[in-house]
Amino acid sequence: GQNIDQPTEMTATEGAIVQINCTYQTSGFNGLFWYQQHAGEAPTFLSYNVLDGLEEKGRFSSFLSRSKGYSYLLLKELQMKDSASYLCAVSPFMDSNYQLIWGAGTKLIIKP
Amino acid sequence: GAGVSQSPSNKVTEKGKDVELRCDPISGHTALYWYRQSLGQGLEFLIYFQGNSAPDKSGLPSDRFSAERTGGSVSTLTIQRTQQEDSAVYLCASSLPSVSWDFPTDTQYFGPGTRLTVL
Repeated sequence: GQNIDQPTEMTATEGAIVQINCTYQTSGFNGLFWYQQHAGEAPTFLSYNVLDGLEEKGRFSSFLSRSKGYSYLLLKELQMKDSASYLCAVSPFMDSNYQLIWGAGTKLIIKP
Repeated sequence: GAGVSQSPSNKVTEKGKDVELRCDPISGHTALYWYRQSLGQGLEFLIYFQGNSAPDKSGLPSDRFSAERTGGSVSTLTIQRTQQEDSAVYLCASSLPSVSWDFPTDTQYFGPGTRLTVL
């Protein structure tokens, strides 16, 4: 089957750094997405990784290790507005690559 | 419009009634997706359209669920004889078609969702 695991909830302090992990076991792998979802709002795209390594985009970075089935999202210089759920999603299918398998999301709480 | 729009934003209905949810994707996006998200849960894939065709309906939970897309644009998701377990947020997303083998899955842009409550 297809499975994606993320911690349910994390708490961090404003100005600090937090790492949100995602592990996956899927039948195939085309790429991994991270989305941000504020409460009551739609998910918005943050990053996409297809090759091993770190992709940096401002305060947010995403890392992928295909051999380990592992990714993390790194958030630096945390701001209160970063309080949201962070969704990890994997594209597992080679021939029907539109379908993503989604994790349940990690709720990140930022404290002053 | 600039983004994906969905209507209604909220829908409260009685058990057994039919509901129709609407999605208007980003102009030019040929791919359209419907998802369901229950409280505290991940996104559950329902159906995917490429143009007007729905090559994959495997995610639809039961035959009470159906979806159509006309003119390669607006899509409607219909739930017949609603049940309380249908209560969830229904999200629609759209994307452009793949243009390269090394970026096979396109970034999906989501609408604000329709919160469905079945009493």
